[in-house]
Amino acid sequence: SYELTQPPSVSVSPGQTARITCSADALPNQYAYWYQQKSGQAPVLVIYKDTERPSGIPERFSGSSSGTTVILTISGVQAEDEADYYCQSGDSSRTYVGFGGGTKLTVL
Amino acid sequence: QVQLVESGGGVVQPGRSLRLSCAASGFTFSYYDIHWVRQAPGKGLEWVAGISYEEHNKYYADSMKGRFTISRDNSKNTLYLQMNSLRADDTAVYYCAKRDPAYIYAMDVWGQGTTVTVSS
Repeated sequence: SYELTQPPSVSVSPGQTARITCSADALPNQYAYWYQQKSGQAPVLVIYKDTERPSGIPERFSGSSSGTTVILTISGVQAEDEADYYCQSGDSSRTYVGFGGGTKLTVL
Repeated sequence: QVQLVESGGGVVQPGRSLRLSCAASGFTFSYYDIHWVRQAPGKGLEWVAGISYEEHNKYYADSMKGRFTISRDNSKNTLYLQMNSLRADDTAVYYCAKRDPAYIYAMDVWGQGTTVTVSS
């Protein structure tokens, strides 16, 4: 198995910065990805390759990596950012995929 | 536009079988690995299985091995998931997702999901 650990919840006020962590022993050797899932909707890719942002994703979403932890940072949080966020990684042969347990971001 | 559309979900009794489909459009289906991911009610995302673009390689989560079979028909731009010996804990929304090497194999396109309910 491939366990990725995320905090269950993070709360911030509008305009503040939210940071969501994801930890796993294998992360120094594997890329991580982040997905946003709003209520009743399919997930959307917001960060790939630890730090890269797909086209169409607002600049306030950024990713970083340090050792066994990757971090999704949302700067200037807006009400529309309230969602569940999942990190994902996998083995180098692409034969296994693992997801973190998800973090519910609440915008106060 | 690039799109994945799942179908085949429904209510099924424990121990029975079900086959899900995922129809692709707007991109060259045969170029990409495609995966199934599920989400039980109120729970997180759980990877189910994946298949390489040319169908030669298939991968499964440990809990699905032996019961689920992933396949694809590139001539029909369609992915399948055959689910046998279904259990109550297989109840979930099942999503198909495309993995793109341009995004270092992130799942960049997802379908809207199809709901499977296993209940007597």
